[in-house]
Amino acid sequence: AQTVTQSQPEMSVQEAETVTLSCTYDTSENNYYLFWYKQPPSRQMILVIRQEAYKQQNATENRFSVNFQKAAKSFSLKISDSQLGDTAMYFCAFIITQGGSEKLVFGKGTKLTVNP
Amino acid sequence: DAMVIQNPRYQVTQFGKPVTLSCSQTLNHNVMYWYQQKSSQAPKLLFHYYDKDFNNEADTPDNFQSRRPNTSFCFLDIRSPGLGDAAMYLCATSRGTGYTDTQYFGPGTRLTVL
Repeated sequence: AQTVTQSQPEMSVQEAETVTLSCTYDTSENNYYLFWYKQPPSRQMILVIRQEAYKQQNATENRFSVNFQKAAKSFSLKISDSQLGDTAMYFCAFIITQGGSEKLVFGKGTKLTVNP
Repeated sequence: DAMVIQNPRYQVTQFGKPVTLSCSQTLNHNVMYWYQQKSSQAPKLLFHYYDKDFNNEADTPDNFQSRRPNTSFCFLDIRSPGLGDAAMYLCATSRGTGYTDTQYFGPGTRLTVL
């Protein structure tokens, strides 16, 4: 089965501190992309960062970076210098091939609260 | 700015009364998706269009239909909404369906069924 697991339903962090959200996945594919999406309260889901599985170098986007460990099938998101605007639901996802077409599979999400 | 637009943002309907949700995009993407997201859950894919080719998920109820009259627009029709269909409905687009193709989401339509 191709699944995504986010083991932390909720997390909180103090403003300006660093937090890491965990994600593990299961796939038999060798090439795939992994994504972190952010969904703020009552706002649209936006892409935070993505990682190509065949690249060993971890992706970085400003304060957001990932720790991608392919052998362990782990894809954690690190948010540095947390800001109040980072409060959101964070979904880990990857694209799988099913029934001859590709589809995006999400984990159940981690609700992150940044406290002032 | 190129974007994915959903109208209305909030929709209230009565039990059994058909409702249509709208999505439009200015990204000129080939693929448009509809997801259902219930409270505190991950989005669940209902179906997608690759150009005019319709792809239904196996577990999507027959109560849900979709139309894509042109590249820019896609509609979600719920023929007889039940209380269990109350959810946020997300539209997304992507250039293709390969693993390299990022999906871009609209703001969603929150459906309430009375």
